[in-house]
Amino acid sequence: GAVVSQHPSRVICKSGTSVKIECRSLDFQATTMFWYRQFPKQSLMLMATSNEGSKATYEQGVEKDKFLINHASLTLSTLTVTSAHPEDSSFYICSVPTGPNSNQPQHFGDGTRLSIL
Amino acid sequence: AQKITQTQPGMFVQEKEAVTLDCTYDTSDQSYGLFWYKQPSSGEMIFLIYQGSYDEQNATEGRYSLNFQKARKSANLVISASQLGDSAMYFCAMRESPGGYQKVTFGIGTKLQVIP
Repeated sequence: GAVVSQHPSRVICKSGTSVKIECRSLDFQATTMFWYRQFPKQSLMLMATSNEGSKATYEQGVEKDKFLINHASLTLSTLTVTSAHPEDSSFYICSVPTGPNSNQPQHFGDGTRLSIL
Repeated sequence: AQKITQTQPGMFVQEKEAVTLDCTYDTSDQSYGLFWYKQPSSGEMIFLIYQGSYDEQNATEGRYSLNFQKARKSANLVISASQLGDSAMYFCAMRESPGGYQKVTFGIGTKLQVIP
């Protein structure tokens, strides 16, 4: 069964709308979750690391005010794309590490396809 | 410098044959993990196999095996007895902890097409 639940799977909305994406860890208590963005036919680009109880760590070039991350509990992280514009259209996917060590894999949500009209 | 290099943008393999997908990596950490994920056209990321940097044996998971050559910094994925359902994008990834900060980097992927 699914280890990570990501919702919604698809969003189509007008420019200027804010969109919230949820990532839930079903089997693990996750102090850390990761948010990625994937453009068509490209690899996953790490946007930020979501930290439970503290601020997210953003990768260089990612706008903090544009992509708000809240890690409210050990099982839930949310990514809010604020005032979305067509260039924000992309596939967003979250992941949850199965443990703190480098040799432990991540499990991914099924992703959210965001289309801004 | 690229952290993860996948040099094969696309690969074809005949059904029931084996195929090797290449991956080389670059890190100065001693402790790291290498992973392969499969992404079908539907978009979800499916974890296939991992290899820890201290593991001496090559990892195997069913039809998947990882040919780990630490000195060459390569972690190639071998899929045996290919099936039509194996057609997908395959990403090699590395998890490392520079300065205690967990980071995962993905390669650009290889598109595998299995031919009947």
